[in-house]
Amino acid sequence: EPEVTQTPSHQVTQMGQEVILRCVPISNHLYFYWYRQILGQKVEFLVSFYNNEISEKSEIFDDQFSVERPDGSNFTLKIRSTKLEDSAMYFCASRATGGWPQETQYFGPGTRLLVL
Amino acid sequence: GDSVTQMEGPVTLSEEAFLTINCTYTATGYPSLFWYVQYPGEGLQLLLKATKADDKGSNKGFEATYRKETTSFHLEKGSVQVSDSAVYFCALRGGETSGSRLTFGEGTQLTVNP
Repeated sequence: EPEVTQTPSHQVTQMGQEVILRCVPISNHLYFYWYRQILGQKVEFLVSFYNNEISEKSEIFDDQFSVERPDGSNFTLKIRSTKLEDSAMYFCASRATGGWPQETQYFGPGTRLLVL
Repeated sequence: GDSVTQMEGPVTLSEEAFLTINCTYTATGYPSLFWYVQYPGEGLQLLLKATKADDKGSNKGFEATYRKETTSFHLEKGSVQVSDSAVYFCALRGGETSGSRLTFGEGTQLTVNP
């Protein structure tokens, strides 16, 4: 069964450093998402991406964050200058096109980011 | 805005016990409702969904019914197994004009003992 993959599974970085989290969505999917879960808190939506542009973003997704689909298979989340509060599990998700409300988002296993 | 509230966890049950995890929501329009499950070390997997009022989603012995009158989507299973130990997330996708983001509840940790 096709699945969303994410790399790395764990990343430790110093405050102020840039990090890039990578995701490979399911191959025929065209909508992509990033969510995060700070330890002990809810899973929160960050951003959605379709047709090479951001279609929706939350208030969390400020100028420190960016997303990109650099090629036909990868979808990346970049944090330009990490803060301690960026420590979280980051989930990528993708879905196929299709009429609302039938579509389902499929999630990757997550990248655990720790900012020191 | 949209929100989801789940019963507080963790929940610990013996094998073959009956499971209920409560989920209530607040949303405008007609949301779609989902239960996701996260097994240790894995990502979020869709367990079941319901897209309109009175729909019942079911999978692997789990069921949940979309109750618009009580704005609820409680997860139930008649007889849990040790392998059901995981974190369960209730989520909604808002109505057609609300974008496609998912809004999640807090998650409920379920432990099933043999």
